[in-house]
Amino acid sequence: AQKITQTQPGMFVQEKEAVTLDCTYDTSDPSYGLFWYKQPSSGEMIFLIYQGSYDQQNATEGRYSLNFQKARKSANLVISASQLGDSAMYFCAMREAVSGGYNKLIFGAGTRLAVHP
Amino acid sequence: KAGVTQTPRYLIKTRGQQVTLSCSPISGHRSVSWYQQTPGQGLQFLFEYFSETQRNKGNFPGRFSGRQFSNSRSEMNVSTLELGDSALYLCASSLAKTGSNTEAFFGQGTRLTVV
Repeated sequence: AQKITQTQPGMFVQEKEAVTLDCTYDTSDPSYGLFWYKQPSSGEMIFLIYQGSYDQQNATEGRYSLNFQKARKSANLVISASQLGDSAMYFCAMREAVSGGYNKLIFGAGTRLAVHP
Repeated sequence: KAGVTQTPRYLIKTRGQQVTLSCSPISGHRSVSWYQQTPGQGLQFLFEYFSETQRNKGNFPGRFSGRQFSNSRSEMNVSTLELGDSALYLCASSLAKTGSNTEAFFGQGTRLTVV
């Protein structure tokens, strides 16, 4: 069963505006980690932000913030002040601690973001 | 600090051949995991190594194998290549031995084309 759901195949945003990319997840493990990665057309997966299931505060990294709503199993990525270079594919991923999850990431299908000038 | 290095970046192979891909993790990272990315299946976990031991394996046929060396560098091998093996292969390195509270960093990937 798919554990990470990204419902937006594509998103458009005007330069300098904020955009939210949705991610919901499903797990019965109380200890897990949530990740967002950016993948430009070059193919490299660029780590953006991480949220642990026990973290009390939402993670932030520069223009990126993660809106973590544990009860709703939601981990949306917010990009503030979009830039043209933000145009890329964005993946939400989860790592579970139990069942030998270790460093096995489960990825969503991704959201393609296009930033317009 | 150097990032995750994957070599080669591009490969073209013929059906039936075998291929070996290499991944050098970030210095100090002992966990290396491999992923296959295709347009149809998305990103799928292949396997993960920690301290030269495979800890986890995804749902791939036995033609896909891997290993990790004492310096944490990892290789994955695909034997008897099929057209469907054409994909971007990504490796990720991570510091932690267990648990979920650490980041995983990816290399630039190896794009394999099977003709």
